[in-house]
Amino acid sequence: GENVEQHPSTLSVQEGDSAVIKCTYSDSASNYFPWYKQELGKGPQLIIDIRSNVGEKKDQRIAVTLNKTAKHFSLHITETQPEDSAVYFCAALGGGADGLTFGKGTHLIIQP
Amino acid sequence: NAGVMQNPRHLVRRRGQEARLRCSPMKGHSHVYWYRQLPEEGLKFMVYLQKENIIDESGMPKERFSAEFPKEGPSILRIQQVVRGDSAAYFCASSPSEGGIIQYFGAGTRLSVL
Repeated sequence: GENVEQHPSTLSVQEGDSAVIKCTYSDSASNYFPWYKQELGKGPQLIIDIRSNVGEKKDQRIAVTLNKTAKHFSLHITETQPEDSAVYFCAALGGGADGLTFGKGTHLIIQP
Repeated sequence: NAGVMQNPRHLVRRRGQEARLRCSPMKGHSHVYWYRQLPEEGLKFMVYLQKENIIDESGMPKERFSAEFPKEGPSILRIQQVVRGDSAAYFCASSPSEGGIIQYFGAGTRLSVL
C-alpha cells in the first residue's frame, strides 16, 4: 500500500516569512495529492490539492509543487500570518485506492 | 450549505459498551469515508461507503467495528464492546464523486473509553 512521509514535524517561522513543508510517497500509481489544515479541536480543512498531470498549483499565498519522478510534493506558504498557525497534513490517493493516506502532520508555528 | 455534520462531538463510554457515531454528508454528496486519528498521528482510513453499500473496508478492524450508510439517514460507525485502545478522534468525510477526490471533513467525534 501507499506510505507518506512528511517533514518537518514542527516548523517555526517569523511572521511574514515563507514556510515549506515536504512530503514523499511510495506508490508511483498515486494520482491525487491534497493538503489539509487542522486547527485544535477541529476537522481537517482542504486548502489546496494537485493531480498527477500538473506540476504546480497556486492559490493566493499557498502553492503546491509535485515532482512525480522523485515522488515528492511540497506545500509553500508565503507571507505567513498568525492565523496560519495550525497542523498541516499532506495526503496521497494511491492507484486503485479509495481512502487517502496521510502524513503524520507538521505543526506550523508563526512567531509574531 | 451545511458542511459535513458529525455527532456527537464528544462521546464517553465505559469498557464493554457500544459507541455509535453518526455522519451526515454534505448536501448532494453520496460518498462517505471514515478515518481514525490517534493523538499526534495522521488520519488512518477505515471504510468507504456509498448509499446502502460498503465499497472498501480494508482499513477497518475485522472485529467489533461496523459501518453503514442507509438509503435514508446518516452514515453510522458502530464500535461494539469498546476498549481503551479505541479512544481516538473519528472523522467522517464526504465527496461528490467516486474515486476519493476532494474529500471534505466533518469536525469529528472524540471518543473516550474509561
